[in-house]
Amino acid sequence: DGGITQSPKYLFRKEGQNVTLSCEQNLNHDAMYWYRQDPGQGLRLIYYSQIVNDFQKGDIAEGYSVSREKKESFPLTVTSAQKNPTAFYLCASSDYYGYTFGSGTRLTVV
Amino acid sequence: EDQVTQSPEALRLQEGESSSLNCSYTVSGLRGLFWYRQDPGKGPEFLFTLYSAGEEKEKERLKATLTKKESFLHITAPKPEDSATYLCAVRANTGNQFYFGTGTSLTVIP
Repeated sequence: DGGITQSPKYLFRKEGQNVTLSCEQNLNHDAMYWYRQDPGQGLRLIYYSQIVNDFQKGDIAEGYSVSREKKESFPLTVTSAQKNPTAFYLCASSDYYGYTFGSGTRLTVV
Repeated sequence: EDQVTQSPEALRLQEGESSSLNCSYTVSGLRGLFWYRQDPGKGPEFLFTLYSAGEEKEKERLKATLTKKESFLHITAPKPEDSATYLCAVRANTGNQFYFGTGTSLTVIP
């Protein structure tokens, strides 16, 4: 079955640590996205990529970094510069017909 | 500026009590309006895509309609399993990016 796989489902980060969230898709979509979801704030775009080896900042890119070395993969690194990283992170990919979302990663700072 | 507003923020219904959720939008050329359902701790699940004013789509107890300024998600005789957050998103003619509303949290009480 085609879809998007995010891992891990739950992630705990210590202060000052960088952590990487994985996102893999087998839908053959060119475009991929990372969103952050906080209660009452809806989905906020962190980074997006329209094609391999190219990506653009979204609305809240500070403290995050991404790479797009393969069409199937779009990992997100939450750096120590992100002061409030506790949130639910969603990866998505899209084609002409719409978005497909992964199941999300819940990141908690401990 | 492309914008999506959903109302109400939260809605509580008795089982069987029909109602509607609203999604109003401003976009420079609508390429598609999308409805998603999101359960707690999970990624959004695709429900409908609407492309032009007057279009309607139905799935079980849900019916989505579209005008030039807004979309409605009608829920007929809801059941407790319909409880979820419903997200609306629009895609403009320019680019692949979606613009999301903040969602309506629906609770159906048995």
